[in-house]
Amino acid sequence: GAVVSQHPSRVICKSGTSVKIECRSLDFQATTMFWYRQFPKQSLMLMATSNEGSKATYEQGVEKDKFLINHASLTLSTLTVTSAHPEDSSFYICSARGGGVAGGAISDTQYFGPGTRLTVL
Amino acid sequence: QKEVEQDPGPLSVPEGAIVSLNCTYSNSAFQYFMWYRQYSRKGPELLMYTYSSGNKEDGRFTAQVDKSSKYISLFIRDSQPSDSATYLCAMSRSEGNKLVFGAGTILRVKS
Repeated sequence: GAVVSQHPSRVICKSGTSVKIECRSLDFQATTMFWYRQFPKQSLMLMATSNEGSKATYEQGVEKDKFLINHASLTLSTLTVTSAHPEDSSFYICSARGGGVAGGAISDTQYFGPGTRLTVL
Repeated sequence: QKEVEQDPGPLSVPEGAIVSLNCTYSNSAFQYFMWYRQYSRKGPELLMYTYSSGNKEDGRFTAQVDKSSKYISLFIRDSQPSDSATYLCAMSRSEGNKLVFGAGTILRVKS
């Protein structure tokens, strides 16, 4: 149980285009999803927290108009990087948290997706 | 000063060795402590989850939390080359709250 998927796993795009990344909880309902970015050999930096059906809460310094987050259902959240530029190139990772994880595993902790590598040319 | 300090390593050990990974933190409000393992270009995988002080064991892994010293540890017994990865400590003030991560320690187990 507690599987989180991300799509795509990697994407290369031209500067100025927008890129959408999907995060899905496959076997549990995620009341909250988190979006992180990770630069090479660095730790995860929380970008925003999203709760199903409400607006995302962004961390200080993260542009909400550039990184659009939609948490439309209890199993899906999307991150759209708008007008991407080379400095947005990074590894983007989502995590999902929800009660009642299948199989009786730990509820209420975060389970991470495999990440999406974004390269902006 | 960072809220969570973790030596980035790399830590290199021979196969079969006992590995000790550590984090210190400054915020006494942290109650929940986790260790994640991250292979290159993959998302973090939850290894251990503990609440408050004490020890927790799962197979070859033991997690220790000493809240009085604001210090947490992860021990890996009989280390294997497949344990080679980056190990991230993480903690939160309340269950399900946002996590604060350490920088991660790169571990290399040589066969």
